[in-house]
Order: sequence, then structure tokens, then C-alpha cells
Amino acid sequence: SQQGEEDPQALSIQEGENATMNCSYKTSINNLQWYRQNSGRGLVHLILIRSNEREKHSGRLRVTLDTSKKSSSLLITASRAADTASYFCAWLNTGFQKLVFGTGTRLLVSP
Amino acid sequence: DGGITQSPKYLFRKEGQNVTLSCEQNLNHDAMYWYRQDPGQGLRLIYYSQIVNDFQKGDIAEGYSVSREKKESFPLTVTSAQKNPTAFYLCASSILEGTDTQYFGPGTRLTVL
Repeated sequence: SQQGEEDPQALSIQEGENATMNCSYKTSINNLQWYRQNSGRGLVHLILIRSNEREKHSGRLRVTLDTSKKSSSLLITASRAADTASYFCAWLNTGFQKLVFGTGTRLLVSP
Repeated sequence: DGGITQSPKYLFRKEGQNVTLSCEQNLNHDAMYWYRQDPGQGLRLIYYSQIVNDFQKGDIAEGYSVSREKKESFPLTVTSAQKNPTAFYLCASSILEGTDTQYFGPGTRLTVL
């Protein structure tokens, strides 16, 4: 399977805390993206980091990429109840040229 | 109001029937995709299309068929040959095939009775 893994599978925190999700993949990549999915809805793109970048910020989101370890992390700072959703990483293989999605992390932020 | 739409939101099918899921986009995107999502799993690619009248199989194309007669439309037919079709189906589009971010529709939940 080309799918990698996300860790943890589920995460439960209180509002105001930070949430960190990790993604591991298996092949060489052009870029890695993070998406959010609210229950029963489509995915929404959050942020894209290219293979020559190591860190990227967007609002309360911080993404890191370590191509030597084939891993990425998504940090959501000062979480809110509205951040409750599933988060998926997806990477573009250099050869395959199609997005491959991870298995997702379910985040629950309690008020 | 640009976007990507899918219909219906919920679909029920009897075993042995073919059903067609609709996907329409007005983003003027060249590439369109169909994914299947099962509980606890990520998205798996069924079919994709880079241009009108052309499409390619993804990882799990067996039991599915598509057409791309218009740039804005990419319907998916779930045939009776698909052995376990109950799932959440997501359509997406992007400016360039593979290289760009993808924009997703709201999904169709298919249940086989």
C-alpha cells in the first residue's frame, strides 16, 4: 500500500491547548498537504509544504517537513472547539503524480 | 459562487443495481477525481481525469466507471460488479493534475440495502 500513517489516530484536548499530529509517508515526494474534514463533509485544504521547505506557518497552523525521515507534523496552537475534525495529510509522489492520503487523525477539542 | 457540487447527498441502492453519482464544478479546473472513503481509513483514488474525454484508473477502479464528456462534469457509476459499494464518495478537482491543491465536494453517502 502506498498509504502512510498518521499518529495519533485520535486526540482529545481542552480548548486553548496545542494539538500536534504526525504523518509518515513511504516515498519521495514533491509536496505534502494537510486537509481538514468535518464529520460527514468534504475535505478542505489547509496548507501545502514543498519538499525543499522545512517549516511553514498559516495563522494558528504550523507544518514541518523532514524528508530524511519521511515525516511531517501539523501543530494547531490555541485550539478551539471549532477545530474538532479529522485531519489528513496527503503527499504527491515524485513518480506517481497523484495525491496519496494518510489514514487521518480525529481531533476532539472540548470547551 | 464557485465550487464543486455532488448529488445526491444520500443514496440507497439495492444489490444488483447500478447507480450514478453526480459531480459538477464551475471552477474551470482541468483535473477531476473520485475517491472512496471507508470508516477509519483515508481516501482511496477510484478514477481521475485530466482532460475532457480522457480518464485513468486509480487504485480501486474495479466495479466503477466514469465519463468526462464535459469539462465541468465527472459522473461516477457504481456498478453491480462492485462487491462492497457502501461507502462515502468524494469528488474533487484541481487546476493541474496531481500538482495542485484539490477542492472537494460535500460527498455522497452510498448505502447498499
